[in-house]
Amino acid sequence: AQKVTQAQTEISVVEKEDVTLDCVYETRDTTYYLFWYKQPPSGELVFLIRRNSFDEQNEISGRYSWNFQKSTSSFNFTITASQVVDSAVYFCALAWNQGGKLIFGQGTELSVKP
Amino acid sequence: EAGVAQSPRYKIIEKRQSVAFWCNPISGHATLYWYQQILGQGPKLLIQFQNNGVVDDSQLPKDRFSAERLKGVDSTLKIQPAKLEDSAVYLCASSLSGKRDALEQYFGPGTRLTVT
Repeated sequence: AQKVTQAQTEISVVEKEDVTLDCVYETRDTTYYLFWYKQPPSGELVFLIRRNSFDEQNEISGRYSWNFQKSTSSFNFTITASQVVDSAVYFCALAWNQGGKLIFGQGTELSVKP
Repeated sequence: EAGVAQSPRYKIIEKRQSVAFWCNPISGHATLYWYQQILGQGPKLLIQFQNNGVVDDSQLPKDRFSAERLKGVDSTLKIQPAKLEDSAVYLCASSLSGKRDALEQYFGPGTRLTVT
């Protein structure tokens, strides 16, 4: 069965701290896709990144970085020097077929205090 | 480029009433999804359309929920009759046709439904 687990329900940090959001996934498929979405208080899900299962290269985009490790079935997300605007709920998601549905984790609510 | 549009943004109804939500995807996106997001949970797919055909409706409660995508563009999701447990945010998303890859989905602002 396909499943995504985000064990951290809530995280609270002070501005400028680094923070890592954990994501562990389960799938039997050899080809799959992993995503991170941000849901600010306005409610709209904002796409952040997509990774393919055959590409384990880590990625950095500004203050955001992602660590994909197939050996531990993890796809963790790190925000460096967090800012108040980073406060949101972050979802990790998995898709395993062509254009298929996303299986979301429960989400991690990040609160960045000034 | 315009994003995914949804209306209404908020709706309050009594149980056993009917309600309909509308979605206009990003222009050129062949695939359209409806998700249900209950408070404190991640979104869950209700139905997926490829153009105007249904790809996946395995988690759609078909005794009360229905959806259509006439002409392969706009879509409507209906609940009839509503139950208290249908209180949630209904999210519409769209993506380019992913013949080989699961492509990123772009989400609308959602419709927050409260059933009293």
